[in-house]
Amino acid sequence: RKEVEQDPGPFNVPEGATVAFNCTYSNSASQSFFWYRQDCRKEPKLLMSVYSSGNEDGRFTAQLNRASQYISLLIRDSKLSDSATYLCVVPAGGTSYGKLTFGQGTILTVHP
Amino acid sequence: GAVVSQHPSRVICKSGTSVKIECRSLDFQATTMFWYRQFPKQSLMLMATSNEGSKATYEQGVEKDKFLINHASLTLSTLTVTSAHPEDSSFYICSARWVAGDTEQFFGPGTRLTVL
Repeated sequence: RKEVEQDPGPFNVPEGATVAFNCTYSNSASQSFFWYRQDCRKEPKLLMSVYSSGNEDGRFTAQLNRASQYISLLIRDSKLSDSATYLCVVPAGGTSYGKLTFGQGTILTVHP
Repeated sequence: GAVVSQHPSRVICKSGTSVKIECRSLDFQATTMFWYRQFPKQSLMLMATSNEGSKATYEQGVEKDKFLINHASLTLSTLTVTSAHPEDSSFYICSARWVAGDTEQFFGPGTRLTVL
C-alpha cells in the first residue's frame, strides 16, 4: 500500500456543485493530516489541517476516519477559483510537521 | 509573516553546468528547510532535509554528490545541482520550518529548472 494515495481525477464539476475527494494513508500511527492546494506551476498552499475527527472552514470540510485510515475533503458550493490540484499530505513517521509525504494529488476543474 | 522566497524562479542552462538555487526565510528563523522536486503531472517528492549548521539528510535514491545542500544560516539554504542533465529538469520547491518546535512548513514559490 502506498504511503499516501489519492484518486487523481480529474474531477470536472459545475459551479455550485459539491465535490468530495478521498485519501488513504498506510501509517496507522499518523496523528495529523493536511490538505494543500496547488495551482498550476505554483507552490502548494495549506488549505486545512486535521488533527481529530475533522475540521470545517467555510465551504471546506475535512473528515478523518482512523479505523479505515482515510481522510476526505468536501467542497460545497464550488467556485471557479476552486480549480486546482488538491494534495493530501501526511507527516512521515506519524510526527507533526516533520518530513511530509504528499499524495499524487486530485485535479479539480470547476466550470461555469 | 512566514514568507519563504526562492531565487531564481526560473533557470535554463546547458547540460553539464551547475545551478544554484537559494531558499530564504524572510521574516522568521528556520532551523530546518526541506527540498522537494516535482516532475510534470507528479506530486512533490522530498529530496533532502537541511538542518542549519549540519549535513543534510538525503532521501533514498537522491545523490548527495549531485545535489549539494548548504544551510549556513537560519534564513538561507542553497541547493546546487551539479553537472545538470536534461533529466534533472524539474520544479524544485523548498519549505522552511520555524525554530520553535513543531510548526507548519511554509513553501517557497519554486524554481523551474530546464536543462537543455
